[in-house]
Amino acid sequence: QVQLQQSGPGLVRPSQTLSLTCTVSGRSIGSGGHYWSWVRQHPGKGLEWIGFIYYSGSTYYNPSFKSRATISVATSKNQFSLKLTSVTAADTAVYYCARTLYYYDNNAYFDSWGQGVLVTVSS
Amino acid sequence: SYVLTQTPSVSVAPGKTARITCGGNNIGSKSVHWYRKTPGQAPVLVIYNGNDRPSGIPGRFSGSNSGNTATLTISRVEAGDEADYYCQVWGGSSVIFGGGTKLTVL
Repeated sequence: QVQLQQSGPGLVRPSQTLSLTCTVSGRSIGSGGHYWSWVRQHPGKGLEWIGFIYYSGSTYYNPSFKSRATISVATSKNQFSLKLTSVTAADTAVYYCARTLYYYDNNAYFDSWGQGVLVTVSS
Repeated sequence: SYVLTQTPSVSVAPGKTARITCGGNNIGSKSVHWYRKTPGQAPVLVIYNGNDRPSGIPGRFSGSNSGNTATLTISRVEAGDEADYYCQVWGGSSVIFGGGTKLTVL
C-alpha cells in the first residue's frame, strides 16, 4: 500500500520560497503509471490543485501557479518536491501531496494523499 | 475556466439518504470524482469515474452524473459520514474542485 510522507518547514517568511518534499513508500515513482501532485487548502476553504509531475519530469501546473510553482522529482530518493516562490500571507494553507491518476487531457484524480503540512507565511 | 458549484451544506438524519450535488456545464460528459474531508485529516477518495468505489469504501456510497449535475448519494447515513465532500473533474487544462458541501448528520 502506497504511503506519502510530507516534510518541510511550517513557517515561511513573506517573499521567501516555500519548499516541501513528499517521500513515497510502497510504490516506486520511477515505475510510472502515476503522476504526483500538490494540492492545498486554505484555512476554512476548499481544495486547490497546484500541479503534478511524472517520473520523467513532465509537469502540469494550475495556470494560477504557473509562474511561481516548480515541482520536481528525485526518483532515486522516491521523492517529489514543491517550491513556491515569492510567498505572501495568501499562501498560508495546508499543503498535501497526492498520488494521481491522469489520463492525457481527459481525466485526473487523486487516490492516495499525504498527511498534510500547515505552512504559515508570516514575518 | 470551468466551474463546479456545490450546495454549501446538507443535513440528514441517521439512517436516511444524503444526496450531495455538483453542478457544472455539461458535467455529464466528464468523469467526476468525490472526496471526503474531515478536519485535520487528508482527503479520502470515495467515488471515482462517476460511480466507482475504491477498496474500503462501503457500498452505501454511490455516484451518478447526467446533464449539468453530478450527485454523490450516501445511503443509510451514519454519524461517521459527517464531513466535507468535494467533487472534482479535469477541466480541460487543470484539475477543478467544487467548493465543498458540509454534510451534517442530525
